[in-house]
Amino acid sequence: GIQVEQSPPDLILQEGANSTLRCNFSDSVNNLQWFHQNPWGQLINLFYIPSGTKQNGRLSATTVATERYSLLYISSSQTTDSGVYFCAVETSGANSKLTFGKGITLSVRP
Amino acid sequence: EAEVAQSPRYKITEKSQAVAFWCDPISGHATLYWYRQILGQGPELLVQFQDESVVDDSQLPKDRFSAERLKGVDSTLKIQPAELGDSAMYLCASSPGPIYYGYTFGSGTRLTVV
Repeated sequence: GIQVEQSPPDLILQEGANSTLRCNFSDSVNNLQWFHQNPWGQLINLFYIPSGTKQNGRLSATTVATERYSLLYISSSQTTDSGVYFCAVETSGANSKLTFGKGITLSVRP
Repeated sequence: EAEVAQSPRYKITEKSQAVAFWCDPISGHATLYWYRQILGQGPELLVQFQDESVVDDSQLPKDRFSAERLKGVDSTLKIQPAELGDSAMYLCASSPGPIYYGYTFGSGTRLTVV
């Protein structure tokens, strides 16, 4: 099956700093999503981005499908950005499913 | 904004007991998924429904786990008997179907087996 690798595994930032989170995947995808898992365990959808660039406030994401990677940018980080960020991809096919990476743990310190 | 509802939010059960989780997807979403997330790892698919039919349960431990979606709406995931290794977060997600706009996840059920 498809492999999803996220880097770095852990990231510590000072409040106000910017960061880039990376997701590499091993095959063509028809869906890519970035999620933030909050301390209570809920997965919050940040972006549905199989290709191109999207922005939502301080967050933006870019997926280069031809090169099989996606980047999540966080600008002016806040303590509430702390948590685990997951990249998940879905390949084409009748019974396709989301396959997750192992996640990136972000800690933003005041 | 439409949500995927899950209950209970937390469950503590003794080893060898039965436990059940419930999920109500977003109205109109034909596809429903149950994922299991072990601490420190990403979620992994247990079972996928298209309407009331199971389309993928290859990762479901069928000797102890069962899942149903009788009317193609809400779904129940059951574990009997529970084992210590089943302690995890159980997440339900739904999507509209063949034309994807992404998956929406519920808040999950955190299971602890003692």
